[in-house]
Amino acid sequence: GENVEQHPSTLSVQEGDSAVIKCTYSDSASNYFPWYKQELGKRPQLIIDIRSNVGEKKDQRIAVTLNKTAKHFSLHITETQPEDSAVYFCAASIGGNKLVFGAGTILRVKS
Amino acid sequence: DTAVSQTPKYLVTQMGNDKSIKCEQNLGHDTMYWYKQDSKKFLKIMFSYNNKELIINETVPNRFSPKSPDKAHLNLHINSLELGDSAVYFCASSPGSSDEKLFFGSGTQLSVL
Repeated sequence: GENVEQHPSTLSVQEGDSAVIKCTYSDSASNYFPWYKQELGKRPQLIIDIRSNVGEKKDQRIAVTLNKTAKHFSLHITETQPEDSAVYFCAASIGGNKLVFGAGTILRVKS
Repeated sequence: DTAVSQTPKYLVTQMGNDKSIKCEQNLGHDTMYWYKQDSKKFLKIMFSYNNKELIINETVPNRFSPKSPDKAHLNLHINSLELGDSAVYFCASSPGSSDEKLFFGSGTQLSVL
């Protein structure tokens, strides 16, 4: 079935620490895996994405890793800052024509 | 010069009423979507249109009817509103199919009383 599991549902870290959010997907044909950040009361915005022909991608303090065999992918945020506090959503393309989102992770960065 | 704009931002209405939400994108994208975000923040696709053609129609009550007069507009009409329809509805667009970056509108907070 179409399923994207995301963990943890909430994550609290101290400013400067790293944060890791993990997702698993069920459709072995999925080939596109974006991550969206949604600040309180705002729209979701893409922060990084990865395609199935790549194992890792990095953009400054954020990185995403993909393990196609195990069907899981992760978001890594290093040197967290208070402005990183938000809800983060992973997603996977299903059937080539839609994205299925994970349930979201509330990240709180404590200063 | 907002890329994806939707109106209204807030919508408060009584059960049984009919309401519409409008969405427009000026990015020249081919595909537009409606997503529903419930109180637990879960984002679920409702519909997608590619060049005015319906591509995705998830298991959504037929009280919800999308309309795309042209590829820059995708409106959502909801008949006989129910309490459970209360949510934030996001319009989005992408250049082509779903495996490309989604640009979301600012959302419409619908409250059904």
